[in-house]
This record gives sequence, C-alpha cells and structure tokens, in this order.
Amino acid sequence: EVHLVESGGGSVQGGGSLSLSCAASGFRFSNFWMTWVRQAPGKGLEWVANINQDGSGKYYADSMKGRITISRDNAKNSVSLHMNSLRGEDTAVYYCTRIGYKSCGLDYWGQGALVTVSS
Amino acid sequence: QSVLTQPPSVSAAPGQKVTISCSGSSSNIGNNDVSWYQQLPGTAPKLLIYENVERPSGIPDRFSGSKSGTSATLAITGLQTGDEADYYCGTWDSSLTSVVFGGGTKVTVL
Repeated sequence: EVHLVESGGGSVQGGGSLSLSCAASGFRFSNFWMTWVRQAPGKGLEWVANINQDGSGKYYADSMKGRITISRDNAKNSVSLHMNSLRGEDTAVYYCTRIGYKSCGLDYWGQGALVTVSS
Repeated sequence: QSVLTQPPSVSAAPGQKVTISCSGSSSNIGNNDVSWYQQLPGTAPKLLIYENVERPSGIPDRFSGSKSGTSATLAITGLQTGDEADYYCGTWDSSLTSVVFGGGTKVTVL
C-alpha cells in the first residue's frame, strides 16, 4: 500500500527557513515524479514544486521561485522541500503527492504538514 | 484568481445529480488531461478522476468525468450526504509550465 508521510512542519518567524520531508513507501519511488501542493487556511489548492524521477528536472511555482528547493533521495525513498525567506502568506498545509497519471494526475497524497509563519 | 474556473458552490437533494464545470484554455485543458479531486472536511484531497474520464479503483461509478475543448465536467449522480466536500479540477499548463487547479467547488446536499 502506498504511503506518503510528511514531517518537519511547525512555526517559524517571518524571514526564517524550514525544511519539509516526505517519506514514501509501498511503491518503487525512483519511478515516479513527486510534487508538493499547499493549501492556505480556508483556501484552495496551490501547486508548489515538481521533481522528476532522478532529481535532474525541477519545476517551481512563481509564487515561491527563488525561495524554495525541492530535492529527493531515491536511496532513502524521500523527497524534501527547503523553504527560506518565509512570509505570512506561506502559512499553509503542505502536501506531498505522487504524480501517477498524465498531465500531473496526483494519485496519492500525504496527510499534510502545517507550516505557520508569524510576523 | 485561479487559472481554471469552477463555480464556488453547487447543491442538490439526496439522490439527485450535480455537475461541476472547469473552464480553462488551450494551454491547459485544451491540450492536457484533467484530474478531479475530492476533499472531505479536515482531510487531504483524494483523486476521483484522472485522464479526463478514468476512475481509480474504489471510486464508485456515481462519479464521472468528461472533457470537451477547453472545459471539463465532473458529474455526481445519486447524491449522498457523504459526498459533501470540496471538489477541485487540475491539470498541467504547458505555457506556464505549472500544475494548475481550479478554485474549488463546495457540494452541499440539501
């Protein structure tokens, strides 16, 4: 069974940094693109970043480009999101997801990690 | 605003049918496949429909998807109270090189 478990969420002061990790299990991790999606309180879904199977291809949302880095460790079946220069509008639940279908169909989602940025 | 446009809310009585539209452009829906997600209150989103019309295993056939041109539609028939949730469409946008979502539609069972 596929499982995605995020960790590393918490509270941080504006301007600070935080790293999220996602532990994957139940599938051949190195075969899949992975994605981070976030959801601000009471708001809709917002894509954050994608990474391809070997980590050589990365895409970032304009709203966070230059402030985030997505990476993966296929030996450890994990994907990470490092965020810096955090702002209040970055407060959200961050979901780790797997791209399972064409055009970024996200077939599995983690339970989410809450990041709260205070001013 | 979201790149994909959805109605904020739809409602119907139990047993009835609702449809949710998702409108985009040639750079997203027009040339890519659409997925639909259901988010029950307080939970992570779940994939309902992928590649426009396909259902993952375990998703009842009361849920169906379609696509025409630059729009897609999710239909829910035989509406149940357990279907009350937020529904999102999503796809890849080839011009933005981004995953894009609709703003979400809240389904209420009257």
